[in-house]
Amino acid sequence: SAVISQKPSRDICQRGTSLTIQCQVDSQVTMMFWYRQQPGQSLTLIATANQGSEATYESGFVIDKFPISRPNLTFSTLTVSNMSPEDSSIYLCSASTGLNEKLFFGSGTQLSVL
Amino acid sequence: GEDVEQSLFLSVREGDSSVINCTYTDSSSTYLYWYKQEPGAGLQLLTYIFSNMDMKQDQRLTVLLNKKDKHLSLRIADTQTGDSAIYFCAENTGGFKTIFGAGTRLFVKA
Repeated sequence: SAVISQKPSRDICQRGTSLTIQCQVDSQVTMMFWYRQQPGQSLTLIATANQGSEATYESGFVIDKFPISRPNLTFSTLTVSNMSPEDSSIYLCSASTGLNEKLFFGSGTQLSVL
Repeated sequence: GEDVEQSLFLSVREGDSSVINCTYTDSSSTYLYWYKQEPGAGLQLLTYIFSNMDMKQDQRLTVLLNKKDKHLSLRIADTQTGDSAIYFCAENTGGFKTIFGAGTRLFVKA
């Protein structure tokens, strides 16, 4: 299993600013992912964080808006850039140890943009 | 395409059984999961079933899989107030990508 620490747990931000969310896993994992969870909706995969290379983004998400870093096997960051109220959501970091493996999740970052 | 659907709400009395249902569309799904999310927390894996199984039991939890109808259910026996949470059905189609349903909010009345 893996324990994932995510911070900040919540933030209130002004329109036009950027927020970086950090995700730390307590063991080496193969895959790290970033999800968005909007109220009453399913989790939407933003991107797969690749170690040492550019993240792989899902349709509808772009690097300029959601830059992602993964400098090593246990750490990743997601930045929400040039925020607008539509970016208000919960952002979740997750990780798995391999193909077909179950996902472990951080506790999420509740973001509110004013 | 890939899609996972589940009802949004379920209300039960404490001590009764809860049954949460889910349908999925991708017949190549290899693993199907149930995750639980409590308020202010991330998702926690409750149980999972491999696609070549039709039932799995784990203490109070029973998972039933009808692969022909692409239907998955989670039964919680003797439901307690602590079981109140959002339950997500999810499928993995053999790669690294997991597709989630919208979640079923379970209310347990004392």
